[in-house]
Amino acid sequence: SQKIEQNSEALNIQEGKTATLTCNYTNYSPAYLQWYRQDPGRGPVFLLLIRENEKEKRKERLKVTFDTTLKQSLFHITASQPADSATYLCAFDSSYKLIFGSGTRLLVRP
Amino acid sequence: DAGVIQSPRHEVTEMGQEVTLRCKPISGHNSLFWYRQTMMRGLELLIYFNNNVPIDDSGMPEDRFSAKMPNASFSTLKIQPSEPRDSAVYFCASSSTSGRINEQFFGPGTRLTVL
Repeated sequence: SQKIEQNSEALNIQEGKTATLTCNYTNYSPAYLQWYRQDPGRGPVFLLLIRENEKEKRKERLKVTFDTTLKQSLFHITASQPADSATYLCAFDSSYKLIFGSGTRLLVRP
Repeated sequence: DAGVIQSPRHEVTEMGQEVTLRCKPISGHNSLFWYRQTMMRGLELLIYFNNNVPIDDSGMPEDRFSAKMPNASFSTLKIQPSEPRDSAVYFCASSSTSGRINEQFFGPGTRLTVL
């Protein structure tokens, strides 16, 4: 069955460093991937979308890559700040709906 | 725009009671999704509406769950009778097209506790 995996362990980094989160998928070839941010007690908020024919997408301090050979997407936050601390979810399309990963919690220490 | 609105924000009920969750999507959006989020299973799609019509309800756990969308600005998710295993955060999300390719806008969620 289609499966999407994110590192369940929290990522703990120092302010100013680059955070890199991983999203792997199996048994599917999605046309695009989306990344969302979720803060405690709130709904997910859309950050970026990358299509299968795009290697990389950037938005301010955020960068997403999509490797269809490795079946993997990487999400980078450069010059990280404590305000970036949150859970980050990746999702791939399955027809009209999104299949979400379980999310990776990021903690940026001041 | 106020975004997706959900009510109530918190609901505590006893097993066997009926629970109704409500959602108002963003005006102009024609796709609506109901999700359930738990620590064990993450974010799961329950049902998807397009232009007020249920397109896919394969994620609805069982017959105790039902959802309606009587018009473009309102949807309900009902659980009858509720069970403790239904305890979760329920999110409503909307999107401007069929949902494909476009981002989804999530509401703040309803935290349901069934005792």
